[in-house]
Amino acid sequence: DVKVTQSSRYLVKRTGEKVFLECVQDMDHENMFWYRQDPGLGLRLIYFSYDVKMKEKGDIPEGYSVSREKKERFSLILESASTNQTSMYLCASSPHYHEQYFGPGTRLTVT
Amino acid sequence: DAKTTQPNSMESNEEEPVHLPCNHSTISGTDYIHWYRQLPSQGPEYVIHGLTSNVNNRMASLAIAEDRKSSTLILHRATLRDAAVYYCILNNNNDMRFGAGTRLTVKP
Repeated sequence: DVKVTQSSRYLVKRTGEKVFLECVQDMDHENMFWYRQDPGLGLRLIYFSYDVKMKEKGDIPEGYSVSREKKERFSLILESASTNQTSMYLCASSPHYHEQYFGPGTRLTVT
Repeated sequence: DAKTTQPNSMESNEEEPVHLPCNHSTISGTDYIHWYRQLPSQGPEYVIHGLTSNVNNRMASLAIAEDRKSSTLILHRATLRDAAVYYCILNNNNDMRFGAGTRLTVKP
């Protein structure tokens, strides 16, 4: 079975802190994605990556950056956390054009 | 961007078939139709996808209209474990846009 793991299920940070969300997949997938999910807004794509050291902006990249130094790991970085970044963050990986496999999510609260 | 329209919620009885509709009238020729579902407190889970022909897998069937402007996800025998939010998504080159989905309630 494909496994996508995220570093934390719950995280509480203060406004202005730098936040790292880690995602690891164990199936050698080329593609990895970061989404956030908010009530009434569904899932929105933040960034995705087709290969190591490559990244593409999604719908809402502002306030976020990403890093993919190794194929299995895709990190989402909040340079200076703000309260409007309180959300559920979901990572996914995909071997090809179809079938994204999602992790369990990290619920981030910024106070 | 091509978008999809789904009912906000649906109810079904356990062990009965469920037909979840999706409208995508602005679909382009290269858009695949994907369905995912999200169980409570979990990340979304891939269900099925198709382009033009109807598709079947162990989880569900996907019926696609001839003009591709609508599709229907079919769960042949709903179980309590099928209670989830179901998302119909158009996928073009890994660019997926999740909408609000349909919340399916399954009654025993």
